[in-house]
Amino acid sequence: QITLTESGPTLVKPTQTLTLTCTFSGFSLSTGGVGVGWIRQPPGKVLEWLALIYWDDDKRYSPSLKSRLTITKDTSKNQVVLTMTNVDPVDTATYYCGHSTTNYAFDIWGQGTMVTVSS
Amino acid sequence: QSALTQPASVSGSPGQSITISCTGSSSDVGTYNLVSWYQQHPGKAPKLMIYEVSKRPSGLSNHFSGSKSGNTASLTISGLQAEDEADYYCCSYAGNNANWVFGGGTKLTVL
Repeated sequence: QITLTESGPTLVKPTQTLTLTCTFSGFSLSTGGVGVGWIRQPPGKVLEWLALIYWDDDKRYSPSLKSRLTITKDTSKNQVVLTMTNVDPVDTATYYCGHSTTNYAFDIWGQGTMVTVSS
Repeated sequence: QSALTQPASVSGSPGQSITISCTGSSSDVGTYNLVSWYQQHPGKAPKLMIYEVSKRPSGLSNHFSGSKSGNTASLTISGLQAEDEADYYCCSYAGNNANWVFGGGTKLTVL
């Protein structure tokens, strides 16, 4: 059974760096075709894809946020980390991580973690 | 503004069928058969309902189906049930630059 759990701060100040961790079980990020992505959803708004990392360390980023995002993996710890620099109140959202394979869909999602950016 | 366009809302009575459209472009929906659909109930994480345009994850009810024509993908829910009331999002792979793009979401109301 695949599970993913997001963790990180609930409150971040503007201009700070946000670090989120996705801890997963039930699969290995060293298996061919497997990826873990991040998607966010501001309160009452729509889903926005942010980044994804593949088993082979191939990294993909949203063009609009690429300069502010970094995604990394620690295969031994079964974790994927997303960092976002210079956060702004518009970055307030629930951040989800999701498991993906060669079908380019996110078939299993974490429960999400709510992050508020405010001074 | 989302890259993929969905109607803001649709509604139907129990037992009826509804279709939600998802219009993209030749850069995403029109080129890749990699459209997925997600159901999201309030306060919950999205759930994959359809992948690769028309495939259902194992164990998912067959009253959900997907299709695509040109730049527009569609999700059809037949035999509407009360528990189908939720928000639905489409998503398409869009190549190595844009990667994944989501639609603006559609709120389904079961009357």
